[in-house]
Amino acid sequence: QVQLVESGGGVVQPGTSLRLSCAASGFSFSSFGMLWVRQAPGKGLEWVAVIWFDGTKTYYADSVKGRFTISRDNSKKTVYLQMNSLRAEDTAVYFCARLYGGNYFDSWGQGSLVTVSS
Amino acid sequence: SYVLTQPPSVSVAPGKTARITCGGIDIGTKLVHWYQQKPGQAPALVMYEDRGRPSGIPERFSGSNSGSMATLTISRVEAGDEADYYCQVWDTTSENYVFGAGTKVTVL
Repeated sequence: QVQLVESGGGVVQPGTSLRLSCAASGFSFSSFGMLWVRQAPGKGLEWVAVIWFDGTKTYYADSVKGRFTISRDNSKKTVYLQMNSLRAEDTAVYFCARLYGGNYFDSWGQGSLVTVSS
Repeated sequence: SYVLTQPPSVSVAPGKTARITCGGIDIGTKLVHWYQQKPGQAPALVMYEDRGRPSGIPERFSGSNSGSMATLTISRVEAGDEADYYCQVWDTTSENYVFGAGTKVTVL
């Protein structure tokens, strides 16, 4: 079965960097786009970034554009989210998800908490 | 960017029907997807491409989309349906995936 496991979250100070990883198993990773969605405490879902199956295209939410970078290593079946210049408002649970048909997110990880605080 | 509007909450008695709306400009021209999120859990897809039901989702869940409104309908509501529900689309103009703010469904 499809499994997505995030790692790399933690507590960091404003202005610093953090890299999240999402290890995939149970499906042909290199055939699917992957993305990150975040959820601030007590708030709704916010799409963050997406990467095409072959890594040739990436898109970002305006709130993270220029600060976050999504990438993938198909040989390791892993997608990454490099987060730079972190702000307090980036505090959230970050979920990775599989993109199906370019439109919807059919499988989700359990999430990784990122807390940005001084 | 594109905005999806959902009611903050919907309350329904067990066995009755809950209708969760998702409004947007010409949303009927887009494909709408719905996610259910229970407390402390990751979201889960419950409806795709307006009216497609993923494997394992009961037939009590149905979807529609026309004009400026998409609707997720839950028939014969059960206590286990209590959750937050989010609609989502791909906005070609902004090249962004967009979520609605979410609707909390409470089973009375």
